[in-house]
This record gives sequence, structure tokens and C-alpha cells, in this order.
Amino acid sequence: GQQLNQSPQSMFIQEGEDVSMNCTSSSIFNTWLWYKQDPGEGPVLLIALYKAGELTSNGRLTAQFGITRKDSFLNISASIPSDVGIYFCAGLYSGAGSYQLTFGKGTKLSVIP
Amino acid sequence: ETGVTQSPTHLIKTRGQQVTLRCSSQSGHNTVSWYQQALGQGPQFIFQYYREEENGRGNFPPRFSGLQFPNYSSELNVNALELDDSALYLCASSLSGTGVWETQYFGPGTRLLVL
Repeated sequence: GQQLNQSPQSMFIQEGEDVSMNCTSSSIFNTWLWYKQDPGEGPVLLIALYKAGELTSNGRLTAQFGITRKDSFLNISASIPSDVGIYFCAGLYSGAGSYQLTFGKGTKLSVIP
Repeated sequence: ETGVTQSPTHLIKTRGQQVTLRCSSQSGHNTVSWYQQALGQGPQFIFQYYREEENGRGNFPPRFSGLQFPNYSSELNVNALELDDSALYLCASSLSGTGVWETQYFGPGTRLLVL
């Protein structure tokens, strides 16, 4: 099956620093999704990307759909304590009336005040 | 609060037993998806239901089955439980169509432990 490699697995940063994480795959995807999950809760969608090369921002978050359709990155600028959590990328492949959604293993972000 | 609720919150079963997990969708949402999230892993897509029919399925065996009801609530059934089925089970409701991913809201999950 399709697999996503998400890196880094975890990161510790100082408040105010910028953060970058990425996902790569050996398979192409039609859509890339980025989620954040807090303890005891389900994931919350941060950004959805639909076209190769697309660059989309949501406040301090910026994500890009790689031109090869096999990778994506998420940047967080000027981190704050509430950015703490686990960030997941997810790739969607759809075609012939069916689809497959694959999640990465997550990047655990810790922000030091 | 996402408006998606799941029950029970926690559950302990033994190998070989059967379990039913329930999900109540956000008002107006007609699509529900189920995911399995093992400890320290990302969610794995189990299947999706739209208009009471299975609309997509991940790599899970047939002993994982589901139902969607006319009011769009849903059940996940797992037969012949195995130890590896221990995980957080998430459901997510959404609106079908081009906005299906932007409108997908997850519930808090049911944590299942199989002994």
C-alpha cells in the first residue's frame, strides 16, 4: 500500500521560532491535507492542497503541494505555545470511483516558552 | 467542539469478542468515515459511508464492517477481535462533494483495548 514518510518525528523549539515539517511518498497524490491533533481529541484540518505547486496559507501556517505530487511541506511561523501538538500530513489518491487516504506518522511539536 | 460525538469513550474487550462503536454526525453532514489510530501512529482509513452505502475502503479485513443510518449516524463493527485491534477509533463526518475534506470534522474517538 501507499506509505508516507513524515519528518521530523518530533521537534523542540523556542517560542517565536519558525517550524518546518514535510512528507514524502513514492506514490503520487491528488490532494494533500495537513491536520493537527491535540491530546484526547480528533485531528483538525489545517490546510487542504489540490494542485501540484499550490502554495496555501492559513494565518501563520503555509503549506505547499510538491510539483512531483509526491511531497508536501508545512511551515509555521513565529510559533506560540498553543502550536504544541501532533501534526499529520495525509495524501489522497482518487480515481476510478474509489479513493485511498493515507496519513503520515506525525510530527510531535513542543514549544518552549 | 466539532458536533461529532462517539460512544463509548473507552472500552475493554477480550480476543475473539465482537464490538460495536457508535458515531453521531454533525448536523447536516451526509458522509461518515472511520479511522483506526494505533498508539504513536497516524490514523488509518477504514472506510467511508455515503447515503448508507460504503463509498471507499482502506486495507482492512471484512471483519471490520459498518452501517450508516438514515439520520446519518453510524456504527463500526469489528468481529473476532485481535490484540492488534487495540487502538483509538475515530469517526469523521462531512458533506459530500467538492468540500468533503474541508467539512470533515472528527469526533474525540473511542479507545478500545483488547486483552
